Amino acid sequence: AQTVTQSQPEMSVQEAETVTLSCTYDTSESDYYLFWYKQPPSRQMILVIRQEAYKQQNATENRFSVNFQKAAKSFSLKISDSQLGDAAMYFCAYRCSENYGGATNKLIFGTGTLLAVQP
Amino acid sequence: ETGVTQTPRHLVMGMTNKKSLKCEQHLGHNAMYWYKQSAKKPLELMFVYSLEERVENNSVPSRFSPECPNSSHLFLHLHTLQPEDSALYLCASSQASSGTDTQYFGPGTRLTVL
Repeated sequence: AQTVTQSQPEMSVQEAETVTLSCTYDTSESDYYLFWYKQPPSRQMILVIRQEAYKQQNATENRFSVNFQKAAKSFSLKISDSQLGDAAMYFCAYRCSENYGGATNKLIFGTGTLLAVQP
Repeated sequence: ETGVTQTPRHLVMGMTNKKSLKCEQHLGHNAMYWYKQSAKKPLELMFVYSLEERVENNSVPSRFSPECPNSSHLFLHLHTLQPEDSALYLCASSQASSGTDTQYFGPGTRLTVL
């Protein structure tokens, strides 16, 4: 069974600095998708970035980028030039190939990393 | 309204009450989900509807009853809940068969069972 592990329950970063959040996963599949979601205190879960396993190039979205190491099954999130609005819980998620009806797939989530941004 | 909306945002209920949570998606998606989020636990998938048909139950107690009348609306009917059911309930939607099948979440309903 697939699992997702986030080993950092809490992290802190100074405003304008860079921080990296770790995520590892376990799977025997070769083709899958990985996601980072952000959940601010208002609790709206927002998609930050996604990575397709068959693409070697790391995904980037503005200040957010990932370091995808497929062989190591590692998927870390780097936040550059951290802003106060980046403070949130960050969840790593893996989309497994277990298929429901209508080709809907299951997401496996980690336990999250709470990021604090210090002014 | 845009994205995925949920009402109410907060709900307090007694163990003998009956209440319903509502979710609406404005993204034209064809799949909807209910998740339970408890402190220090990964999100737990409760139900999946794809094309308005329930395709996953995930061993949820019968005191939770979902309903999906159309592709835009999803309900979670609650009755005779237990205090351990207190949690944040998140709704999500996605476009199945779209490659990434990325799920988009609502703001959640914070449920407290007394």
